[in-house]
Amino acid sequence: GQNIDQPTEMTATEGAIVQINCTYQTSGFNGLFWYQQHAGEAPTFLSYNVLDGLEEKGRFSSFLSRSKGYSYLLLKELQMKDSASYLCAAMDSNYQLIWGAGTKLIIKP
Amino acid sequence: GAVVSQHPSWVICKSGTSVKIECRSLDFQATTMFWYRQFPKKSLMLMATSNEGSKATYEQGVEKDKFLINHASLTLSTLTVTSAHPEDSSFYICSARMAGADTGELFFGEGSRLTVL
Repeated sequence: GQNIDQPTEMTATEGAIVQINCTYQTSGFNGLFWYQQHAGEAPTFLSYNVLDGLEEKGRFSSFLSRSKGYSYLLLKELQMKDSASYLCAAMDSNYQLIWGAGTKLIIKP
Repeated sequence: GAVVSQHPSWVICKSGTSVKIECRSLDFQATTMFWYRQFPKKSLMLMATSNEGSKATYEQGVEKDKFLINHASLTLSTLTVTSAHPEDSSFYICSARMAGADTGELFFGEGSRLTVL
């Protein structure tokens, strides 16, 4: 079956770095997405990886290892506004997104 | 960036009535739109995939007669919750994929919070 695993909740300190991991099993693979969702709002796109390696975009970076079925989202210089849920989603061979349950990130001062 | 507008943002209705939610791509054409439902503190649950000019593809367990989806144009898809009941209260979100895009990036609407009394 198809499955996405990510931690339910993580806590980090303002100004620090946090890494949110995601493992996936899909029928075929057409990329891995990370979305940020604040409570009560729709998700917003953060990153898309389809090739192995690290993609850096400002304070956020995303890594993919296709052979391991593994990705992580790295957030640097954490700010209080980064408190949100982070959703990992893998696209299968039919271009359907398989969603993880999301990781709630709590930032403490 | 591409914008998807969803309307209404909030709706409260009486049990037994029908509610229509619109999803519009404002500055791009979307051949495919997706409708999701999200329960509190849960991830997105795909309800159906809406393709312009054809019938929507519903996920297993989603009642097609209950949740009517129409994708009449390349910029508009609608979800109608028919004969709504309190258990239909939820956060409904649409997303759209840009026609001809070489990535699978989805653009999300703001979401519609439905409360059925």
